[in-house]
Amino acid sequence: DIQMTQSPSVLSASVGDRVTLNCKASQNINKYLNWYQQKLGEAPKLLIYNTNNLQTGIPSRFSGSGSGTDYTLTISSLQPEDVATYFCFQHNSWPYTFGAGTKLELK
Amino acid sequence: EVQLQQSGPEVGRPGSSVKISCKASGYTFTDYVMNWVKQSPGQGLEWIGWIDPEYGSTDYAEKFKKKATLTADTSSNTAYIQLSSLTSEDTATYFCARGLPGYNYGVMDAWGQGASVTVSS
Repeated sequence: DIQMTQSPSVLSASVGDRVTLNCKASQNINKYLNWYQQKLGEAPKLLIYNTNNLQTGIPSRFSGSGSGTDYTLTISSLQPEDVATYFCFQHNSWPYTFGAGTKLELK
Repeated sequence: EVQLQQSGPEVGRPGSSVKISCKASGYTFTDYVMNWVKQSPGQGLEWIGWIDPEYGSTDYAEKFKKKATLTADTSSNTAYIQLSSLTSEDTATYFCARGLPGYNYGVMDAWGQGASVTVSS
């Protein structure tokens, strides 16, 4: 199985900060990498699919990049409503696998 | 509007089975696969598998092959997951999530609200 390692596990930042979340795969996943946001008590929400495609309705302050084994989710200007846990997810190889998540908090 | 409405919380005794439903609306049910995802209390997410409702074909993560059975009823636009031989490790919230066609089954763009399963004697 492909292991997905997210860093950091917890990130504290201030409103307006540029925030970068990282995800590393144990092998090449050919950009089949999605990012999901999960707020407390809610279902996950798709933010970015296939590395850098912004899902419809998601604010443009979210962006994704990467290739091979290394991927990044960037929030250009952190907003209070962005407090959540963010999961990366690979769908290049079965079984599909999630990272353990990065919990984003406000400083 | 795409909606996935899951059934309510379930309590199952150890060794028994439970079946959770996920009713889809707002799109053509047979045009998309349905994924299932497990979230244990306070834990991360695990992909269980998907079903193609049009053909009934399925794929499971190895870990869940003997635990979960995915089915779909195209007459009612409802997907199901049955969990068998319940143990405490099955206590979790289970989500259904629509997957896009083609090579994008894992692009889960709409999610149910989740259904909690508690295993207790």
